[in-house]
Amino acid sequence: DVKVTQSSRYLVKRTGEKVFLECVQDMDHENMFWYRQDPGLGLRLIYFSYDVKMKEKGDIPEGYSVSREKKERFSLILESASTNQTSMYLCASSSSGTGDTDTQYFGPGTRLTVL
Amino acid sequence: GQNIDQPTEMTATEGAIVQINCTYQTSGFNGLFWYQQHAGEAPTFLSYNVLDGLEEKGRFSSFLSRSKGYSYLLLKELQMKDSASYLCAVNDDYKLSFGAGTTVTVRA
Repeated sequence: DVKVTQSSRYLVKRTGEKVFLECVQDMDHENMFWYRQDPGLGLRLIYFSYDVKMKEKGDIPEGYSVSREKKERFSLILESASTNQTSMYLCASSSSGTGDTDTQYFGPGTRLTVL
Repeated sequence: GQNIDQPTEMTATEGAIVQINCTYQTSGFNGLFWYQQHAGEAPTFLSYNVLDGLEEKGRFSSFLSRSKGYSYLLLKELQMKDSASYLCAVNDDYKLSFGAGTTVTVRA
């Protein structure tokens, strides 16, 4: 069974704080993704990575950065948290095959509140 | 950009059938996924279509028409546990673009 874990289920931070969200997958997947999910907007891609030390911007990268130093770990960083970054953050991973091997497997999510 | 539309909410009775439609206009297409997401939980994979036609998996079926940019997810013999959000996602070169999701409520 694919397992994707995230460091926290719930997190409360203050405006201006630096926030780290960690994601680890155990299936040797090449691709990893960070999304945020907001009511009525669905999942929106923040950043993704298709290999160690590689990263690509998604649809809404502003205010975020990422780090992938090891294949199994993908970190999302909020350099200076703001209240509009209050959201559910979901990490996912997939292999680099074709067809349904592109299936993304999601972690349980981190609900971040910025006060 | 990517445009993926699905209804916001649907309600159905236990034992009934519900069809969730998804229309898409995307710059690329490498298949369409359906995910189920229960409240407060992660999305889980339900189905994948890349060729036109119907894919059946037990009580769930998914249909794709690439020429029409259209898919549907069919849920048969509805059970209370099927109350969840259903997400349509288009695969564009291993990136997924998601619709906003359809919340299905199953009533007794």
